[in-house]
Amino acid sequence: GAGVSQSPSNKVTEKGKDVELRCDPISGHTALYWYRQSLGQGLEFLIYFQGNSAPDKSGLPSDRFSAERTGGSVSTLTIQRTQQEDSAVYLCASSLEVVGRFANTGELFFGEGSRLTVL
Amino acid sequence: KQEVTQIPAALSVPEGENLVLNCSFTDSAIYNLQWFRQDPGKGLTSLLLIQSSQREQTSGRLNASLDKSSGRSTLYIAASQPGDSATYLCAVTISGNTPLVFGKGTRLSVIA
Repeated sequence: GAGVSQSPSNKVTEKGKDVELRCDPISGHTALYWYRQSLGQGLEFLIYFQGNSAPDKSGLPSDRFSAERTGGSVSTLTIQRTQQEDSAVYLCASSLEVVGRFANTGELFFGEGSRLTVL
Repeated sequence: KQEVTQIPAALSVPEGENLVLNCSFTDSAIYNLQWFRQDPGKGLTSLLLIQSSQREQTSGRLNASLDKSSGRSTLYIAASQPGDSATYLCAVTISGNTPLVFGKGTRLSVIA
């Protein structure tokens, strides 16, 4: 697509329920990133994909968080047994992968985010 | 561990003023630095990207500079307008395939 698309834009859920957030990156972008932005906080890195594999999962805050990417395109971030502290805006970004000396700039393009509220 | 700091946290200026937003980072071994704009309730819009070999980039009324050795970047906004009101975020990465590390942003208000 023309830009990074995320859904849902808003999600309100009850504590303890599972949620899935979807990201559709820019066509042809092989790198995909998930970030979380809590009220008054900076952007917190969660996970990064190169193609379908995730070389860096270091930012996932607990084992309730998982993400997958299929077909080198769409990614889903799943939060199980949601807690109130999971309330935040979840942002997805994509970029062309930097490969060897044919490096691109690595410029990151963001979606509009999914605002999650856990009651 | 790379840390990014942005000063000031908030800034209010009258329309027409030129202004400078500051960003500093602790590890000078960066691959690139990117400035973003975020409007309330929205995602991030990329404004300027400076690669480590570059000193500055310009787009319209925006100019971003990079001094890698001192770990600093500035975003200069000329002739500010109310439409420039937003949060401006600075981020760096140490290689092309690693996550950006973000500052907490500067919240800019331009008063008509």
